[in-house]
Amino acid sequence: GQNIDQPTEMTATEGAIVQINCTYQTSGFNGLFWYQQHAGEAPTFLSYNVLDGLEEKGRFSSFLSRSKGYSYLLLKELQMKDSASYLCAVRGNAGKSTFGDGTTLTVKP
Amino acid sequence: GAVVSQHPSRVICKSGTSVKIECRSLDFQATTMFWYRQFPKKSLMLMATSNEGSKATYEQGVEKDKFLINHASLTLSTLTVTSAHPEDSSFYICSATDRDRPYGYTFGSGTRLTVV
Repeated sequence: GQNIDQPTEMTATEGAIVQINCTYQTSGFNGLFWYQQHAGEAPTFLSYNVLDGLEEKGRFSSFLSRSKGYSYLLLKELQMKDSASYLCAVRGNAGKSTFGDGTTLTVKP
Repeated sequence: GAVVSQHPSRVICKSGTSVKIECRSLDFQATTMFWYRQFPKKSLMLMATSNEGSKATYEQGVEKDKFLINHASLTLSTLTVTSAHPEDSSFYICSATDRDRPYGYTFGSGTRLTVV
């Protein structure tokens, strides 16, 4: 089976940097995803890691360590619009993804 | 980029009726579509996986006779909630992928179902 853990809530200040961690235990691994979801909306894709290391995309970066079953999403230069839920998802066998419960990030002025 | 259109965005129905939710891939062929359900402040729970032209594979605990999934073409999958009850009220989201994109999960905009 799949088990994914991430913090429930985080708070950060506008302009700051925040790191959202995700740990996983899975029976198969074919990539890790990060999604952003605003209340009442569908998730939107942020990043995908399948090899160890850091993937940078603008203000957002994602890191993966497969041996440790660990990933983080790094958000720089936080903006108020970054307040949302961030979902970590692991794709296992047969293309199915299991999602964590999400981390609700609140950005304060 | 890949776009998935999901309709309706909101629906209110009476207990005992059926509701159909459509999910269309607009600019790619969706070989696989996933249907998720999301409760408030919770993550997405995979309900079923459907491949074009074959029967859907349901996750454990999901009633296949209650949640009918049809994936008749490479661009359309439908989820029908039959004999809806208030406890079926939820946010339903589809996502689609095709074999040519390694991280090709594109989500529909979701459907908020309220059963009264």
